[in-house]
Amino acid sequence: EAQVTQNPRYLITVTGKKLTVTCSQNMNHEYMSWYRQDPGLGLRQIYYSMNVEVTDKGDVPEGYKVSRKEKRNFPLILESPSPNQTSLYFCASSLGPGFYEQYFGPGTRLTVT
Amino acid sequence: EDQVTQSPEALRLQEGESSSLNCSYTVSGLRGLFWYRQDPGKGPEFLFTLYSAGEEKEKERLKATLTKKESFLHITAPKPEDSATYLCAVHNFNKFYFGSGTKLNVKP
Repeated sequence: EAQVTQNPRYLITVTGKKLTVTCSQNMNHEYMSWYRQDPGLGLRQIYYSMNVEVTDKGDVPEGYKVSRKEKRNFPLILESPSPNQTSLYFCASSLGPGFYEQYFGPGTRLTVT
Repeated sequence: EDQVTQSPEALRLQEGESSSLNCSYTVSGLRGLFWYRQDPGKGPEFLFTLYSAGEEKEKERLKATLTKKESFLHITAPKPEDSATYLCAVHNFNKFYFGSGTKLNVKP
C-alpha cells in the first residue's frame, strides 16, 4: 500500500529537549515536505526536499532542521523545542514539486511545555 | 508576498443544498492550484489540480474552476459525507502555500 508514515503520532516534551519526528514514504517520490498546521493559519511549509541531499527552506523554517540522506526518509529535527512549536505536523511526498499531488502522512501532534 | 485566502471559514448546508467555496490567491508565478479535503484527525487528501485560467475539473459532486485570481470549488447536492475541511494550495517555485481552509458541515 502506497503510504507516508510518521512517528511518533503524539509527543509531549519539555522546552529545550531535542527531538526528531521521522517520516518515510514507500512510493519512490523525489519531493518531500514538512508542514505545520495551526488553527486559523492553515498549513505552512517548514522545509522541503527535491531529492537526496537537496533541501531548502519553506515559509517557516526557524527552529527546525531536516536531512535527506535516503530517498524514502525525511526526518524533522527540533534541536531546542519551544512552546511556540506546539502544533500539528504533517509530512508529505510527491513525484515532483510542480504538478503532482502530494500524499500526506497521518500527522504528529507535538506539545512543548 | 505569496498569499492564499479562503472563504467562507465555515459553511453549513442542508443535504442537497448546492454552494461554492472560494480560494483567492496572489502569487508571482502560479505553477498550479490544488484542492485537498481534510477529515478530522487525518492528513489532507488530494482532490484536484488546476494549471491554467479557464480550466475545470469534476469528481462526483465536486467541480473546481480556475480564473487568473481565484478558484471555486462548487458542491452540487452535497451529502453528509461531504462534511470536511477543504483546503486550497498554490505552487510557486518549488514551494507550496495553503489557505486556512473552509470547514463544511452538511446536515441531513
